[in-house]
Amino acid sequence: GDSVTQMEGPVTLSEEAFLTINCTYTATGYPSLFWYVQYPGEGLQLLLKATKADDKGSNKGFEATYRKETTSFHLEKGSVQVSDSAVYFCALTLNAGGTSYGKLTFGQGTILTVHP
Amino acid sequence: GAVVSQHPSRVICKSGTSVKIECRSLDFQATTMFWYRQFPKQSLMLMATSNEGSKATYEQGVEKDKFLINHASLTLSTLTVTSAHPEDSSFYICSARGPLIPYEQYFGPGTRLTVT
Repeated sequence: GDSVTQMEGPVTLSEEAFLTINCTYTATGYPSLFWYVQYPGEGLQLLLKATKADDKGSNKGFEATYRKETTSFHLEKGSVQVSDSAVYFCALTLNAGGTSYGKLTFGQGTILTVHP
Repeated sequence: GAVVSQHPSRVICKSGTSVKIECRSLDFQATTMFWYRQFPKQSLMLMATSNEGSKATYEQGVEKDKFLINHASLTLSTLTVTSAHPEDSSFYICSARGPLIPYEQYFGPGTRLTVT
């Protein structure tokens, strides 16, 4: 079945440090890939997405590139801020139709804490 | 735009009673909504897919008679946990498929259920 594996957390960084959260996936079809962020006490928000191989998603200084050859979608940010402290989820959905269409498969989530 | 609300945000109920959770799309019509369960420090587990005007599709291992889902209108889906037990205590999150891009989902803030 389809699955998403994220690097284990929690991740603790100082402000302005470089961030990488690894994400790899297994899918039977051709997935779209997402990063969602969950701030304390809030629902999940879409951070960025990529719908085909070699696409780069970007938003709020975060980037991730869809690498089909390594089945990866690693999240990066060059300089994190305290306000980036949250839980980050990598996810996929299959682009094909059928009963799986639109269903999201999530990774286990990575807790990020950024200190001043 | 694309706001999803959930009510209540927190609920405490006694073992054996039933509790209903509402999920509303506030500014768009959602023909499809999803219900997830999130355990502490774990990922989101899809419970069921709710389609307006038809029966929900439950994921393997989810008891349909225990978790009743009703999608009676294009803006409202409800999850009723029947005869709740302490092991049903969890964080329940709904999402709605976006109006324009089928693979995008918008998440509610979640409902914390505690069964005593």
